[in-house]
Amino acid sequence: DIQMTQSPSSLSASVGDRVTITCRASQNINNYLNWYQQKPGQAPNLLIYAASSWQSGVPSRFSGSGSGTDFTLTISSLQPEDFATYFCQQSHTAPYTFGQGTKLEIK
Amino acid sequence: EVQLVQSGAEVKKPGESLKISCKGSGFSFTTSWIAWVRQMPGKGLEWMGIIYPGDSETRYSPAFQGQVTISADKSISTVYLQWSSLKASDTAMYYCARRHNWNVGGFYYYYMDVWGKGTTVTVSS
Repeated sequence: DIQMTQSPSSLSASVGDRVTITCRASQNINNYLNWYQQKPGQAPNLLIYAASSWQSGVPSRFSGSGSGTDFTLTISSLQPEDFATYFCQQSHTAPYTFGQGTKLEIK
Repeated sequence: EVQLVQSGAEVKKPGESLKISCKGSGFSFTTSWIAWVRQMPGKGLEWMGIIYPGDSETRYSPAFQGQVTISADKSISTVYLQWSSLKASDTAMYYCARRHNWNVGGFYYYYMDVWGKGTTVTVSS
C-alpha cells in the first residue's frame, strides 16, 4: 500500500492567518491526490482533487499544489468555518489510502 | 438531489452478524463505483473497498479482505457492508461514498465526491 503522511498532525491558528498543510506519499503518485475537510460529527467533504482542482462550491481561499510525492493544501485567510480536520488521499493505486489527518484548531 | 442514505446506528455483541446499507439516488447508481470507508473513534479514514453495482465487481483493501463482505443490489440502488462475526475492534463509523471518475486525456482521476452521513456500529458485550 502507498503510505500517506501529513504534517503537522495538529495546528493552532487565528482567523485571517495563512495556513499550509503538507502531505507526503511513500512513492510517486503524480498528481493523483485529493483533499477532504471533516468537521466534528459530519462526513468528509471533498475540497480539492487531482492535487490542484477545486471541487464545485469550494471557496477560492483553499488551494492545492504539488506533484510526485510532496503536496500542500493552503488556506489563504482562515475563516471561522475552516476549523476542522483535513485529510489527504492518494488515488494513484488501490487501496486509495488517506493521510492520518491534520486538526486545525483556533488559537 | 444526488445523495447516499445510510442505515441507522447499530449496537451488537461480539460474534454477531451485521449488514449495513447505503442507498443511492439522483444519479446513475449502476454506472458508479461506491466505496466504504471506516473511521474508528477519534481516528483517521481507512479505505475498505469498493463495488461497481452494475456487475458487482468488488475490490478490497488487503487490510479488510476476508474481514468484511461488500455487495450490491442494483435493482434497489443499494450497496451493503456485512460482517459474519463482529469483534469489539469493529466499533467505528462507516461511510459509503461515490467514487467520481474524471477523464483527462485518457488519464482517470478518482475522488469521493458524494458521501453518506455514516453508520455508527458499536460492538460491546
